[in-house]
Amino acid sequence: DSGVTQTPKHLITATGQRVTLRCSPRSGDLSVYWYQQSLDQGLQFLIQYYNGEERAKGNILERFSAQQFPDLHSELNLSSLELGDSALYFCASSVGGSLGLAKNIQYFGAGTRLSVL
Amino acid sequence: EDQVTQSPEALRLQEGESSSLNCSYTVSGLRGLFWYRQDPGKGPEFLFTLYSAGEEKEKERLKATLTKKESFLHITAPKPEDSATYLCAVQDHTGNQFYFGTGTSLTVIP
Repeated sequence: DSGVTQTPKHLITATGQRVTLRCSPRSGDLSVYWYQQSLDQGLQFLIQYYNGEERAKGNILERFSAQQFPDLHSELNLSSLELGDSALYFCASSVGGSLGLAKNIQYFGAGTRLSVL
Repeated sequence: EDQVTQSPEALRLQEGESSSLNCSYTVSGLRGLFWYRQDPGKGPEFLFTLYSAGEEKEKERLKATLTKKESFLHITAPKPEDSATYLCAVQDHTGNQFYFGTGTSLTVIP
């Protein structure tokens, strides 16, 4: 168990709908990262938050948004869903805001599987 | 364009048969290279971080090495429990962008 909790585990919805994915980081971790994993593209970095503020953006669509709350949990909001948004969405957390330091290892949750029908 | 390529896509080994997985990368100023293990239905699990060419890290039957253009994950005398997908990721010079390869699916047959 990595200590990172993601809910829900599975989500089935229809095109055009909006969903919210939730992530609770490990105790003491200040950074949260969101990733999308699809069969054909592998893990794609979406966005990082550090202590409530956006730190870095990757390939995140404008239809997607995220935030990190004062208690450090994070939510990823996906709107106007399309069939191609079906994927596994992972959250990861680390102690600090900058990887590359030995202590700033990313710990991943078990993911949320989103199916858009 | 920054990218990470892993090979082979899939690898089947007999128990005890050593081999290597490859991760080649092109990134503007490598800040760190990461190896992860991912089991079906689970999130990636951290294995190693490498920062500079020539660096090596070991953990049980796994050894990771890094050159200026690629990294190898050597698996010595693998066991069935080593079966998983192994992912490689790089962090660029800004420290803000992370690129993952599509992974190598390893199956170790008893």
